[in-house]
Amino acid sequence: EPEVTQTPSHQVTQMGQEVILRCVPISNHLYFYWYRQILGQKVEFLVSFYNNEISEKSEIFDDQFSVERPDGSNFTLKIRSTKLEDSAMYFCASSARQVDSPLHFGNGTRLTVT
Amino acid sequence: DQQVKQNSPSLSVQEGRISILNCDYTNSMFDYFLWYKKYPAEGPTFLISISSIKDKNEDGRFTVFLNKSAKHLSLHIVPSQPGDSAVYFCAACNNAGNMLTFGGGTRLMVKP
Repeated sequence: EPEVTQTPSHQVTQMGQEVILRCVPISNHLYFYWYRQILGQKVEFLVSFYNNEISEKSEIFDDQFSVERPDGSNFTLKIRSTKLEDSAMYFCASSARQVDSPLHFGNGTRLTVT
Repeated sequence: DQQVKQNSPSLSVQEGRISILNCDYTNSMFDYFLWYKKYPAEGPTFLISISSIKDKNEDGRFTVFLNKSAKHLSLHIVPSQPGDSAVYFCAACNNAGNMLTFGGGTRLMVKP
């Protein structure tokens, strides 16, 4: 069964450093997403992406965050200058359609900012 | 943000019996609802969904019920199996976009 893959599984970085989290969505999906889950909290929406542009973004997704689909398979989340509070599990997801179409999630990248 | 709530943080059920997980929402604009299962160190795995035009959707051992007037949905697992032990999340969205709002999760433990 096709799946969403994320790399790395765990990333440790120092405060102020840039990180890039990588995702390979399911190949025939057109809609891509990033979510995050801070330890002990709910899974939160960050951003959705379609047709090479951001469709929606949450308040969390400020100027420090950016997304890109650099080629036909990868979807990346960049955090320009990490803060301690960015420590979380980051989940990539994709869906085939916008409407009535479940999101399929990857196994996440655990980001630890020290 | 309490738009989607799962009031039971945990549930323990005997193998073979029914598991009922509940979820309430407040946003009347939500019209698509999903249940996900999550094991430790893995991402949420899609289980079953329901559109607001229906009140029931069934897939094998899993059935989701939607009560729009009460803004309540539930997931029934029959019969429950030890492998069903995981954290279950309900999620909702407005089909005008696909931004999911998640509940806080219910940890289901199925005892052999």
